[in-house]
Amino acid sequence: AQSVSQHNHHVILSEAASLELGCNYSYGGTVNLFWYVQYPGQHLQLLLKYFSGDPLVKGIKGFEAEFIKSKFSFNLRKPSVQWSDTAEYFCAALAASGYALNFGKGTSLLVTP
Amino acid sequence: DAGVIQSPRHEVTEMGQEVTLRCKPISGHNSLFWYRQTMMRGLELLIYFNNNVPIDDSGMPEDRFSAKMPNASFSTLKIQPSEPRDSAVYFCASSLGQGGHYEQYFGPGTRLTVT
Repeated sequence: AQSVSQHNHHVILSEAASLELGCNYSYGGTVNLFWYVQYPGQHLQLLLKYFSGDPLVKGIKGFEAEFIKSKFSFNLRKPSVQWSDTAEYFCAALAASGYALNFGKGTSLLVTP
Repeated sequence: DAGVIQSPRHEVTEMGQEVTLRCKPISGHNSLFWYRQTMMRGLELLIYFNNNVPIDDSGMPEDRFSAKMPNASFSTLKIQPSEPRDSAVYFCASSLGQGGHYEQYFGPGTRLTVT
């Protein structure tokens, strides 16, 4: 069955710490991968996406993610987090031939000053 | 562009009442999605429309839920009768086309509380 799993449900970091959020997917065939962010009280916003090409994808606000096909992973990284990065982060997958985003359960990130 | 517009942003209702959630997709987008977000199940797709036609409603929980898209600029999700377990945030999203290469743009969501 198609699935997306996020390893960390809650992460607490101090400002300037480095961030890595894990995401693994289980899909047959070609899959497109996304990271969305949901700031408190706001809607989902796209951070970055991977369709093909360079497996290292750069997104907004200094975020990047690396697609490692052999590990079925698409981990999100940021070298130095800020307090304003406090939010819920969702990894999602979408079969290239499909239409429905399949979301992971999300990771809640709290960045402390 | 104003983005995907949803109304109301918050809805509190009593069990048994009818609830109607509304969505206006981004102009020119031909695909529309309704998602539900709960603590227990996360984000899950309820129904997907393409060119105003329901393509996949397998995620609709039960017959109490119904969705319509009478035209390209408007969709509704109705719950009748509502139950406390329907309490969730309901997101509408739209995309320019059908298929995995099209980004989905999300609305602000409607937070529904059924007491």
